[in-house]
Amino acid sequence: QVQLVESGGGVVQPGGSLRLSCEASGFTFSPYGIHWVRQAPGRGLEWVAFIRYDGRNQNYADSVKGRFTASRDNSKNMVHLQMNRLRPEDTAIYYCAKDPEAGSLRGYYFEFWGQGTLVTVSS
Amino acid sequence: EIVLTQSPGTLSSSPGDRATLSCRASQSVTGEFLAWYQQKPGQAPRLLIYGASNRATGVPDRVSGSGSGTDFTLTISRLESEDFAVYYCQQYGRSPYTFGQGTKLEIK
Repeated sequence: QVQLVESGGGVVQPGGSLRLSCEASGFTFSPYGIHWVRQAPGRGLEWVAFIRYDGRNQNYADSVKGRFTASRDNSKNMVHLQMNRLRPEDTAIYYCAKDPEAGSLRGYYFEFWGQGTLVTVSS
Repeated sequence: EIVLTQSPGTLSSSPGDRATLSCRASQSVTGEFLAWYQQKPGQAPRLLIYGASNRATGVPDRVSGSGSGTDFTLTISRLESEDFAVYYCQQYGRSPYTFGQGTKLEIK
């Protein structure tokens, strides 16, 4: 079955950096885009980023543009989210989620989700 | 960006009741590109509906979605204990892919 496992969360000071990873299994990884979605404690869901199946295009929410970078390694079934210049308002559970459309140039909805990794930005 | 407004914020219902959740968009959602998710405490969200009315794999047929343009509805007939959770709508017609603020379905 489809499985997505996030890792790399933790506590970081404001202005610091963190790199999240998402390891996929249970499906053929390379044809599918991957999204990152976050949820601040006790709050709703916010889409953060999408990386295309081949890694050649990404798009980002305005709140993270210029600070976060998504990348992927299809040989290892992995997606990464490099988060720089972190702010307290970036504190959230970060989920990776599989897009349903093979070979798509854009994102759609979130077909399968990982269990998330918690990022806390605090001094 | 497209703003999604869900109503009500909280819905109190009893097992066996029918629940109707609303999602209104600030502008028309292209191609009925609207999805619904269920989230239980401590869990990741789960896809219920995509394309406004298509059930995801494993979703029971008492869960249905409808709507077009700017007005969408999630209906759960014959509520069961497993249905009490928070529900989010999400549009994917245009980036950024936005969510509604959620409706909490609680036991009366």
